[in-house]
Amino acid sequence: DTEVTQTPKHLVMGMTNKKSLKCEQHMGHRAMYWYKQKAKKPPELMFVYSYEKLSINESVPSRFSPECPNSSLLNLHLHALQPEDSALYLCASSLGQGTANQPQHFGDGTRLSIL
Amino acid sequence: GENVEQHPSTLSVQEGDSAVIKCTYSDSASNYFPWYKQELGKRPQLIIDIRSNVGEKKDQRIAVTLNKTAKHFSLHITETQPEDSAVYFCAASSYGQNFVFGPGTRLSVLP
Repeated sequence: DTEVTQTPKHLVMGMTNKKSLKCEQHMGHRAMYWYKQKAKKPPELMFVYSYEKLSINESVPSRFSPECPNSSLLNLHLHALQPEDSALYLCASSLGQGTANQPQHFGDGTRLSIL
Repeated sequence: GENVEQHPSTLSVQEGDSAVIKCTYSDSASNYFPWYKQELGKRPQLIIDIRSNVGEKKDQRIAVTLNKTAKHFSLHITETQPEDSAVYFCAASSYGQNFVFGPGTRLSVLP
């Protein structure tokens, strides 16, 4: 069972479209993450939310806009993306940042294709 | 920032043999080191992790060792099975921040 749920599983969009990726977890985790993974490459951290506040933005272009409406939900709003943004977008959650160093649980990802 | 290197990039072993994957990290502040297995088209799955206050951890056929002084950690899989075939990623983190992944090792277990 996947405890972190991502929707949609696949998304094809044009460069002028606006779309959103959604991530949900009900494990009581307080840290949530967005990663981008290209084929045959490791996941690259994009954003980290800790207790619903953005704590890390790894110099991601502004065409990616994260949002954390509550402790269970994480969104990634997409606008004016480029073909090189085509990738698997993974959401993850962990118990919380700090000294706990709890493991991350990943969702199945959204496979995004930009035409 | 943190940099994680991983070797080898590909590894082929005969079923039943052992496999060892090695990682090095650069940031001495890193204190949490998970290992993930990713099968084709699937999400990364945590298989084992180790914290900096521990030198070794074992879970059935899988073990991880950590040498803080040398800044390297290794994954050991014994009695490999075909279903162990996948890409394995090591990662390093400091207090849950900045998870940095190694480039990955493609493991093939030959029957």
